[in-house]
Amino acid sequence: GAVVSQHPSRVICKSGTSVKIECRSLDFQATTMFWYRQFPKKSLMLMATSNEGSKATYEQGVEKDKFLINHASLTLSTLTVTSAHPEDSSFYICSARDGRAGGPDEQYFGPGTRLTVT
Amino acid sequence: QKEVEQNSGPLSVPEGAIASLNCTYSDRGSQSFFWYRQYSGKSPELIMSIYSNGDKEDGRFTAQLNKASQYVSLLIRDSQPSDSATYLCALGRGSARQLTFGSGTQLTVLP
Repeated sequence: GAVVSQHPSRVICKSGTSVKIECRSLDFQATTMFWYRQFPKKSLMLMATSNEGSKATYEQGVEKDKFLINHASLTLSTLTVTSAHPEDSSFYICSARDGRAGGPDEQYFGPGTRLTVT
Repeated sequence: QKEVEQNSGPLSVPEGAIASLNCTYSDRGSQSFFWYRQYSGKSPELIMSIYSNGDKEDGRFTAQLNKASQYVSLLIRDSQPSDSATYLCALGRGSARQLTFGSGTQLTVLP
């Protein structure tokens, strides 16, 4: 099956610093990648959709200047949490799909990154 | 009405029984439907996708879709303790096929 990796799996940072999370599709071309966050005992909340080579589309209420997304290649997307604060502490999960015409609809998830801001 | 609603749970079944998970949705235009399994502290794992009315079987899992009733379900036969997890129903929407998730049903399989 399709494999998506995410790095780091866990990060602790101080308030005010920035953190970059990488998401890679290992065995397929991910023309479309998605970033989610999940709070304890809650369902996943879509933050943004990114297509390779173009700007990300953010969901309503998600600050694009705070959560910078770059999808520069068909196998890599990054999420940078800028000037992180304790309320940004969450489980961040990426997913990817082969969005080429005729491609499958299935999304495959990375293992997630647990961010703790102190 | 929520876009995707799942039976509230939690659901407990004995080992070896059939677990039945249900999901209704409001958007009649939805074309793709998915079941994901999420273990505590982990990310979702795709179990089944279904696009056409009827049943789709994969091992112990059967997904059922009824577009007229706007209903999709997942049956787990011969449930095992390792099936204990939260099961998420999701719909694909838009050209990018963004997923809209239900709130999930927590399943516990009792040994």
